[in-house]
Amino acid sequence: EDQVTQSPEALRLQEGESSSLNCSYTVSGLRGLFWYRQDPGKGPEFLFTLYSAGEEKEKERLKATLTKKESFLHITAPKPEDSATYLCAVQAEGSQGNLIFGKGTKLSVKP
Amino acid sequence: DAGVTQSPTHLIKTRGQQVTLRCSPKSGHDTVSWYQQALGQGPQFIFQYYEEEERQRGNFPDRFSGHQFPNYSSELNVNALLLGDSALYLCASSVFHRGSYNEQFFGPGTRLTVL
Repeated sequence: EDQVTQSPEALRLQEGESSSLNCSYTVSGLRGLFWYRQDPGKGPEFLFTLYSAGEEKEKERLKATLTKKESFLHITAPKPEDSATYLCAVQAEGSQGNLIFGKGTKLSVKP
Repeated sequence: DAGVTQSPTHLIKTRGQQVTLRCSPKSGHDTVSWYQQALGQGPQFIFQYYEEEERQRGNFPDRFSGHQFPNYSSELNVNALLLGDSALYLCASSVFHRGSYNEQFFGPGTRLTVL
């Protein structure tokens, strides 16, 4: 069964304290892995697409990496405005576009 | 450039009633997917529409149905509402690429409360 597991469930950081979020996935074949940011009560905001092992993408303080079993979202020197839930999703081979999501990591950054 | 829009923002219904939610995709997008997100959970795929047809369906009962119009906008209908249908309903739009990944962009969601 295709599934996505994210860890930790929650992460509290001080402003400037770098860390990483983990997304482990099990799929029959990976077509794409996606990272989203979601603020409370709002829709997910697209961040990155990764589709081959070894690939890396960067945007401001965020950097996403991909291996054959997992993806990491690295947050460098976070600011309070980075506080949100970060969702990881995969699209499997043979899928027309069904995204399988993890439960997310809730990040809190304190000033 | 307008992103994905959804209406209404919030909705309160009672058990047994029916509800219709609406979605307009991002400009240039031809595919609409619907997701249900319960509190504290990740979104769960309901179904996807392309060329006015349901292309793929998740593990949801037939009470959940949809439609896509020629202008690519879409509706989600839920009949015989249950308390467990209370959730944030998300619409995502994308450009259809057969055999490749689809980057999906989400709307703000409709918060449905069933009493």
